[in-house]
Amino acid sequence: GQQVMQIPQYQHVQEGEDFTTYCNSSTTLSNIQWYKQRPGGHPVFLIQLVKSGEVKKQKRLTFQFGEAKKNSSLHITATQTTDVGTYFCAGPRNRDDKIIFGKGTRLHILP
Amino acid sequence: DAGITQSPRHKVTETGTPVTLRCHQTENHRYMYWYRQDPGHGLRLIHYSYGVKDTDKGEVSDGYSVSRSKTEDFLLTLESATSSQTSVYFCAISEWTGSRNTQYFGPGTRLTVL
Repeated sequence: GQQVMQIPQYQHVQEGEDFTTYCNSSTTLSNIQWYKQRPGGHPVFLIQLVKSGEVKKQKRLTFQFGEAKKNSSLHITATQTTDVGTYFCAGPRNRDDKIIFGKGTRLHILP
Repeated sequence: DAGITQSPRHKVTETGTPVTLRCHQTENHRYMYWYRQDPGHGLRLIHYSYGVKDTDKGEVSDGYSVSRSKTEDFLLTLESATSSQTSVYFCAISEWTGSRNTQYFGPGTRLTVL
């Protein structure tokens, strides 16, 4: 069935280093979404990408949607302790109106 | 957070007891969802609702039932709780922009089944 996969599952970085997580779909997506979940919290919607090759920025976060609309990435420049959490990508399921979530990348910042 | 509350926020129960979790929303959203989140599995859909009295199963629906008698409330029931149902449960609603579905989550319920 349709799958959304994320790598890596875990990432430890020194504060100030950059971080990237990758999302790959088994099928072409009409859009892709990113969510962030702080430890002990709930997933919070960050952004949605719709166009092939689209790039969006939110301060130190850069989101890309691949040309084939099957992959995406989230890059954080100069990580801070506030970036700690799990980042999920999600895409619409082809056969209905539900969303499929990747398993997430857990980011841990070393001081 | 799209006016979503969940109750209780924490619950400890014993195997074999019934448990009902409540999700309440104040913004008249049509679509509501129940997910469970477990380490290594991400978010898995249990049941969803696309309107009052209209519900359907998700990918991990065994052992769970739902009801939606009012737009604002979506109830998840574990008829006879098992230890494998220890998890964090999130309710979510959908906001639609054209054909695009963005989900907003409630704060979650941490359930422990002993």
